[in-house]
Parts: sequence; structure tokens; C-alpha cells
Amino acid sequence: SAVISQKPSRDICQRGTSLTIQCQVDSQVTMMFWYRQQPGQSLTLIATANQGSEATYESGFVIDKFPISRPNLTFSTLTVSNMSPEDSSIYLCSVVARLDTEAFFGQGTRLTVV
Amino acid sequence: GENVEQHPSTLSVQEGDSAVIKCTYSDSASNYFPWYKQELGKRPQLIIDIRSNVGEKKDQRIAVTLNKTAKHFSLHITETQPEDSAVYFCAASLAPPLLKAAGNKLTFGGGTRVLVKP
Repeated sequence: SAVISQKPSRDICQRGTSLTIQCQVDSQVTMMFWYRQQPGQSLTLIATANQGSEATYESGFVIDKFPISRPNLTFSTLTVSNMSPEDSSIYLCSVVARLDTEAFFGQGTRLTVV
Repeated sequence: GENVEQHPSTLSVQEGDSAVIKCTYSDSASNYFPWYKQELGKRPQLIIDIRSNVGEKKDQRIAVTLNKTAKHFSLHITETQPEDSAVYFCAASLAPPLLKAAGNKLTFGGGTRVLVKP
């Protein structure tokens, strides 16, 4: 199974600022995704991180708010921009090593916006 | 897009009893159905999955059944133990050979909080 390192594990940020979350995998993976999990809720897909091209965003999520980079097959970042308290959530990186294998999750980044 | 409904939202069982969680999905093209367990403060972890060419799959005390016609699948936990207490999520997605442009993305159900009472 892929070993996923997600940083930071938690942060408290001021409203109006931005936070960049990193996801590093110990091996090359085919797919990388970013999910949001609001307190006590389920997981919602934000976007698919595409290597070398723009991410594919789900309905309700836009690039200006959640810019994503994926420069190679082992690393991706998610930025939460111009934060408001409503962005307080857990953000999770997920990877699929090959197209016929299961999805693994990073440990998540618990973000609190004050 | 895909929509996954999960029931019940909470489930309390006595240790040793069985627990059943049910999910329905909307997209008949979905062909991969994983179940994740999330303990408090931890990441979701896959406990079992099933593909559409199989009706049932078992792994020790855990089993999953799939009814493609009715578009529903269920998780069964037998002989529950206190360590089974967690939130369980079902999900649906497209996987090979029906992979599309953004395949493998998971649509999750709302989750079931399971409490196993000793």
C-alpha cells in the first residue's frame, strides 16, 4: 500500500489568508484526489489532481478558491484561498496507485479558520 | 452525477450481535463499491470492496452484498466487538474496465456511526 504524508496535520488560520496543504506519496501513483470532510460529515470530492495540467474540479468547487498543483506522480498541493470560517474542515489527500487498485487516504489536515 | 444514500446514520448494537448498513446508488454505470472505516481522528481505511461482477464477498467477520438490479449494496458485520465502533462509509465509483476520464473518484454515502456496547 502507498504511504502518504500530508502536511500540515492541523493549522489555525486567520480569515482572508491562504493555506497550502502538501501530499507526498512514497511511490508513483496514477491518480491523486483532494477531499473535504466537514465536521461530523461525509467526504466530498473537491477535485482530481492531474499531473502537468489543470485539476478537474467537482461541482461547487472552483480553481480560484482551491488551486491545485501536481508537478509529478508523487506530489500534490491544495491551497485554500481567502479563507473564511466556513472553510474550517478536514482536507484529505487520496491516491490510487494503479487504475484497478483501491484508494488510500492521507491522515488529513484539520483546518480551523478564525 | 452519482448519488449515494446510506442508512442508518447511527447504529447501536450489543457486543456479539450483527450490524447491517445499507447503501443505494443512482448511477447504473458504477461498478466498484468500497467500504471505509474511520475511527475518531483517523483517516478512512478500506475494510472491504466489491465489484459489479460479484454478488457477495466475505472477509472473516465482514461481508458485502451487491444487488445491481436494485442498485443497492450492504455491509454486514457479524459477532461485533467494541473495536468495531467507528464511522463506516460506503462509496461508489467507476473502475476498469468502465473507466472514464476521471475514473476512480469516489462518491461517498453520508456515513453510519456504529457503537458496539460491551
